[in-house]
Amino acid sequence: DGGITQSPKYLFRKEGQNVTLSCEQNLNHDAMYWYRQDPGQGLRLIYYSQIVNDFQKGDIAEGYSVSREKKESFPLTVTSAQKNPTAFYLCASSIDRNSPLHFGNGTRLTVT
Amino acid sequence: GDSVTQMEGPVTLSEEAFLTINCTYTATGYPSLFWYVQYPGEGLQLLLKATKADDKGSNKGFEATYRKETTSFHLEKGSVQVSDSAVYFCALRGRVYGQNFVFGPGTRLSVLP
Repeated sequence: DGGITQSPKYLFRKEGQNVTLSCEQNLNHDAMYWYRQDPGQGLRLIYYSQIVNDFQKGDIAEGYSVSREKKESFPLTVTSAQKNPTAFYLCASSIDRNSPLHFGNGTRLTVT
Repeated sequence: GDSVTQMEGPVTLSEEAFLTINCTYTATGYPSLFWYVQYPGEGLQLLLKATKADDKGSNKGFEATYRKETTSFHLEKGSVQVSDSAVYFCALRGRVYGQNFVFGPGTRLSVLP
């Protein structure tokens, strides 16, 4: 079955450490996205990518970095510069930039 | 900029009750409108969508009608089940190609047996 796989489901890190969240899709979608979800808030866009080797900042990109070396993979690195990194992170993809989003099951990151 | 407003939750209903979750939006032009659902511990799933005024999206007994005159896209279901307990997100995407989604804050629904 096609879908989006995010790993791990839960991630714990100490403050000051960088951490990378994995996102893999086998839907052959061109566009991929990273969202952050906090309690009681809607989803906020961190980064998105329309094609391999290209990505754009979303609304809250500060303290995050991404890469898109392969069509199926879009890892997100949460750096030590991110002031409040504890959150639920969702990866999504779409056929193109005008199609509905398909989401992975998320990674819950806790930084202490 | 574009925005989506949803009724605040949590909403608690008894099984077989009628459900309405209000959603209104502010956008330039005529966006596409969506409802996504998030079950506990999971990502979001597309529930239904509408791309132009007066369109009705429907899926799994849920319905929503694109009302241009009131800039609304309220979600309804005639008889909820315990399995409908989830968080529901209203969202829009503008007409310009490549515009990003804008999500509402979500409404948590709990259905009691």
